[in-house]
This record gives sequence, C-alpha cells and structure tokens, in this order.
Amino acid sequence: GAGVSQSPSNKVTEKGKDVELRCDPISGHTALYWYRQSLGQGLEFLIYFQGNSAPDKSGLPSDRFSAERTGGSVSTLTIQRTQQEDSAVYLCASSISPLRANTGELFFGEGSRLTVL
Amino acid sequence: AQSVSQHNHHVILSEAASLELGCNYSYGGTVNLFWYVQYPGQHLQLLLKYFSGDPLVKGIKGFEAEFIKSKFSFNLRKPSVQWSDTAEYFCAVNNQGGKLIFGQGTELSVKP
Repeated sequence: GAGVSQSPSNKVTEKGKDVELRCDPISGHTALYWYRQSLGQGLEFLIYFQGNSAPDKSGLPSDRFSAERTGGSVSTLTIQRTQQEDSAVYLCASSISPLRANTGELFFGEGSRLTVL
Repeated sequence: AQSVSQHNHHVILSEAASLELGCNYSYGGTVNLFWYVQYPGQHLQLLLKYFSGDPLVKGIKGFEAEFIKSKFSFNLRKPSVQWSDTAEYFCAVNNQGGKLIFGQGTELSVKP
C-alpha cells in the first residue's frame, strides 16, 4: 500500500510476555519514528532511525524496549517482559528525509494497540 | 531538552465559535513547528507546518498558526469552527532534522 503499515493492529498479552510490533514505512522514506500514545500522555517519542546513522534511542523508557530497522526499511519494536503500564497505542511514522526541508512531514500509521493483562 | 506544552487539555466550543489553541516550546535554537490532527478513529495527519518565512502559516480546512519567536509560541487558530473539527490536536517541534517532539494534545469538542 501507499501508506505506513503497522501490525498487529491489536495485541493482547499477559504480563511478563515479550511482544513484537512491526512497521513497514512508505517506500523510499529514509526516516522512521516510533511513538507511544497513552491517555493523557500525548505522543511520547521512543526512537528515531535516519538512514544508516545510529538511531536516536533517547526516548526508550527502559531496557525492556528495543527496536531494529533492517535494510533501511521495515522496523520492529520489541518489548520484553511486558508490564501493565506498557499498555498503549504504539505509532510508527516515516518521512522522506530529515525534517530540514520545507517538504518535511511525518506520515503516521494506524498504530498497534497493546493491552497487557 | 526540548519540550512542548499545550495549555488546554480539553476545549468545548459551539459551532461558529472562534478557536485558539496554545502551544509553547522550550528550545533556543532554530526550530520547525507543526500541528497535527487526529480525527476520531483516524490516524494522525498534518494540519500545517512552519519552517521559515512568513510566521503566519495557513493550513488545511481554514486553520492557521502564528509563530512568535519571542514568545516561543505557535498557537493554532480558526475563526469559525465546525462540528467536523472535533478531534485531538497536537503541536510538535523539531530542531532542524532530528526527532519530532509532540505536546500532550488538546481534545476539541464542537457542539452542533
């Protein structure tokens, strides 16, 4: 498709299990972002990939969270030993380039809703 | 560290009322500024953006925002809201090519 694709759209898991969330960005977009959206918390930045540069991981809340981007395209966000406070919507976005140019814009996916019981 | 503050968490207006949503950021350097909107059940989409030039930026659906550098502000305005403007609005700031930091969001409810 033409947009950012995320899977699964919904995930229910038990506390302590690991989960993987997938993001397929728009073809040709070099930048990829992960955010977490919780009620009352807005959009919390998690991690940012730009081309072959080292990712900006400054927003990852704990070492249980990690993300990879293989081949400069698909990205996987992994949460190990999930906790109830990890319940949120995880959003992925991509942009054609770093947001320097006037054409810079993030395109968002529909999100993956994670519920930890 | 960069931060973005949206002063209003929930705004309730009647149709045809004027709208202004506040946004302030903390970053001393050159910034790019954005407003995104999330309609019920839909994904986030760009409303408008400022990179340089005229500080009054016009976006889609009659929205505009004004960048006031001295106040570190980028408030969103619309002269006359419609029921279809009911949504959550997010302000965001980017420091020249890095990550995009969002505010907490403002939920707008427009009564018909």
